[in-house]
Amino acid sequence: DVKVTQSSRYLVKRTGEKVFLECVQDMDHENMFWYRQDPGLGLRLIYFSYDVKMKEKGDIPEGYSVSREKKERFSLILESASTNQTSMYLCASSSYGGNSDYGYTFGSGTRLTVV
Amino acid sequence: GQQLNQSPQSMFIQEGEDVSMNCTSSSIFNTWLWYKQEPGEGPVLLIALYKAGELTSNGRLTAQFGITRKDSFLNISASIPSDVGIYFCAGRKAGANSKLTFGKGITLSVRP
Repeated sequence: DVKVTQSSRYLVKRTGEKVFLECVQDMDHENMFWYRQDPGLGLRLIYFSYDVKMKEKGDIPEGYSVSREKKERFSLILESASTNQTSMYLCASSSYGGNSDYGYTFGSGTRLTVV
Repeated sequence: GQQLNQSPQSMFIQEGEDVSMNCTSSSIFNTWLWYKQEPGEGPVLLIALYKAGELTSNGRLTAQFGITRKDSFLNISASIPSDVGIYFCAGRKAGANSKLTFGKGITLSVRP
């Protein structure tokens, strides 16, 4: 079964800590994405990557950075966690081309609480 | 960034009822997708639509790609308690590797 795996389901971190959220996919997908999900705001794109070592800003990149050293792994980094970064974080991957478009495959999410 | 329009934010129905949701945009999309997110999980693809006018079913779910290519509809028939969740629409424009645009989602509650 194809999968996007996020390393933690729940995390509690302190304000000012550096936080790493890890995501691994086993589908050999080129594209990977990080979203945050908040009630009433839907899915907001933080960063995405179309290839190893490539990254592009999404709609809300402030306070975040990413790393993609290997094709299967995409890490989201909160340089100095703040309470307004308390949220559900979703990783997704995709491969687009040919006649099929199955959209994104999402991980189960990491619920991050910053105290 | 642009989002697709989904409303209302929440819907409450009785078990056994049918429910329809729509998703609209001012832009044309080449692909429409519908996702369901259950509590504590990530969104899962329900139906993908590739052609204007296309009608596709997946069990009790039926979705349509609007003729204008600016909207899509999802219908759930004979709802059951496990239909609860957030239903997202998503669209993809022309162009290789263009990103998906998402609606904000509709939270569906089903009363037994």
